Order: sequence, then structure tokens, then C-alpha cells
Amino acid sequence: GDSVTQMEGPVTLSEEAFLTINCTYTATGYPSLFWYVQYPGEGLQLLLKATKADDKGSNKGFEATYRKETTSFHLEKGSVQVSDSAVYFCALSDGRRNTDKLIFGTGTRLQVFP
Amino acid sequence: DTAVSQTPKYLVTQMGNDKSIKCEQNLGHDTMYWYKQDSKKFLKIMFSYNNKELIINETVPNRFSPKSPDKAHLNLHINSLELGDSAVYFCASSHRYTEAFFGQGTRLTVV
Repeated sequence: GDSVTQMEGPVTLSEEAFLTINCTYTATGYPSLFWYVQYPGEGLQLLLKATKADDKGSNKGFEATYRKETTSFHLEKGSVQVSDSAVYFCALSDGRRNTDKLIFGTGTRLQVFP
Repeated sequence: DTAVSQTPKYLVTQMGNDKSIKCEQNLGHDTMYWYKQDSKKFLKIMFSYNNKELIINETVPNRFSPKSPDKAHLNLHINSLELGDSAVYFCASSHRYTEAFFGQGTRLTVV
């Protein structure tokens, strides 16, 4: 079945450091890919998405590119802030009625220190 | 206005009790979901409804019963609660199989 694998955390960075969180997927067909963020004590918020190969999703300085050849959707940010500390989830959806659901990776906790 | 709202936010109850969690969305979406997040933060689909019709029912004990009275509401009723049911339950909605919007979650603690 479809699956998502993302790097184990926690990822610990100093403010203004470069961030990469790796995400790879296994899917039949052509899934849509997402990054969700969960701040402490809150629900999940959509951070960015990409619906087809070579699409780049971006939001709040975060970017991820849908790479079909490497089945990857790595999350990057050039300069992290303390306020970016959260758990980040990579997810896919096949977008078809009877199987439409998000399949999540295990989440990666990011801790940013001043 | 809150797009997807769940109540209650916290629920502490004893083993064997029956409890319900309510969810409402005001986004006009046609599909609603319940997800479970365990103590290690892992998220897994439980149910999905499209236009009040049950579409996905993952391998969830039949003590869990979703009910969708209309497109904007999806409630989750749990019978005979067990310790292992302790988790955070998230409601979500989407439209035409696009990205899902999540509620704030209900932290259920069974003691």
C-alpha cells in the first residue's frame, strides 16, 4: 500500500540556520503531496502542497518540490526562526473517492533555539 | 470563524463509559474525516464520509461508531471505553479530494 517515510527527529537548529526535512513516498498512481505543521497543543495546519510532478509548493519561507524520479518531497527553509518550532508531517493523498485519505509520515519535531 | 470545530477539547473518562465527540465544519466541504493521533504523534485515518455516506472505515473496533446527520457534521461515538483508546482525535474536512482542514483535536484520556 501507499506509504510515507520521513526523517526521525528531533531536528535541533539555531535561529537562522538552514532546514531540510527529508520525505520520500511509495504510491501507485499520481498522489498529491502535502506538508502539515502541528504547533504545541494545536491541530494540524496545511503548510504547503504539490499536486503533480515538478510542482513546487511554498509558504511562509518553506518550500518543497514534488520529485517523481526520486519519489521525494523534502521540506526546506533558508533561515528558521524560534517560532518555527513544531512537528512537521509529510503526507500523501491519492485523491480518488473511495480511497481518499491522507497517509502521514511519522512526523519530525523541529526545535529552534535563539 | 472557526472552519472545523470539535468539542470537547479535553475529555477525561473512566474505562467502560460511553462518550461522544462532535465535529462541525462551516467550509461547505463534501467530505469529513476522523483521524487518531497516538502518543507517538502517529496519525491514522479512522473514517471518512462523503455527502453523509460512509466511504472509508479502516480497521477500527466496532465500539467506534461515526454518525453524520448532515454534510456539515460528523460525530464520533465510542462505547465501552478502554485504556488503549486514549489518544488525540482529529476531525477534518475537504472538498473534492483536495487538501484537508483539521480541527483543534480532542484529547481523550481514559482512566
